[in-house]
Amino acid sequence: QKEVEQDPGPLSVPEGAIVSLNCTYSNSAFQYFMWYRQYSRKGPELLMYTYSSGNKEDGRFTAQVDKSSKYISLFIRDSQPSDSATYLCAMSPDNTDKLIFGTGTRLQVFP
Amino acid sequence: DAGVIQSPRHEVTEMGQEVTLRCKPISGHDYLFWYRQTMMRGLELLIYFNNNVPIDDSGMPEDRFSAKMPNASFSTLKIQPSEPRDSAVYFCASSAQGTVYNEQFFGPGTRLTVL
Repeated sequence: QKEVEQDPGPLSVPEGAIVSLNCTYSNSAFQYFMWYRQYSRKGPELLMYTYSSGNKEDGRFTAQVDKSSKYISLFIRDSQPSDSATYLCAMSPDNTDKLIFGTGTRLQVFP
Repeated sequence: DAGVIQSPRHEVTEMGQEVTLRCKPISGHDYLFWYRQTMMRGLELLIYFNNNVPIDDSGMPEDRFSAKMPNASFSTLKIQPSEPRDSAVYFCASSAQGTVYNEQFFGPGTRLTVL
């Protein structure tokens, strides 16, 4: 079993929809949680990060962490065609520099 | 800042040939990471360096893979001999020590095809 599991999709939604992307993990030591966005034929880039449990909001994006369930989510409100990309969750325990990535979920937002 | 630079962007080679991928991290970054991305396995960490020293190479699949970082501004990933199953996109990333969330900045990747 992988340390981080993520549904590969693709997830196809109409413009304006609310999108929910999720990851589960098995290592209870993980404290730092990140979402990276990767456009086609580009490298991933950091979208959001959270530390430990709770929510974080940035514009149309909200990241949630539920450590008791070992489950993290990224919500996208009012989705746009420009949000079409692969979204990768990443996480690490304290005091390390190595990130463990999920396999990524491909999102398509159609007009 | 130019960001992380990788070369070549595309490489097509035949099985058994040596392949060398190159990376220039962002100036001032202390950490350098090499990843491999495939549809089946996603983004896998191969090896990472801190201040030019290899810290964790547990992700290097076989002895055919080797990585070096001779100085703070240059790293190579070498595959010798290459095999078709090595076909993937290889990313280099760098980060700065001391950031709370260890944001990694990725290069554009090298798309490797081994025939």
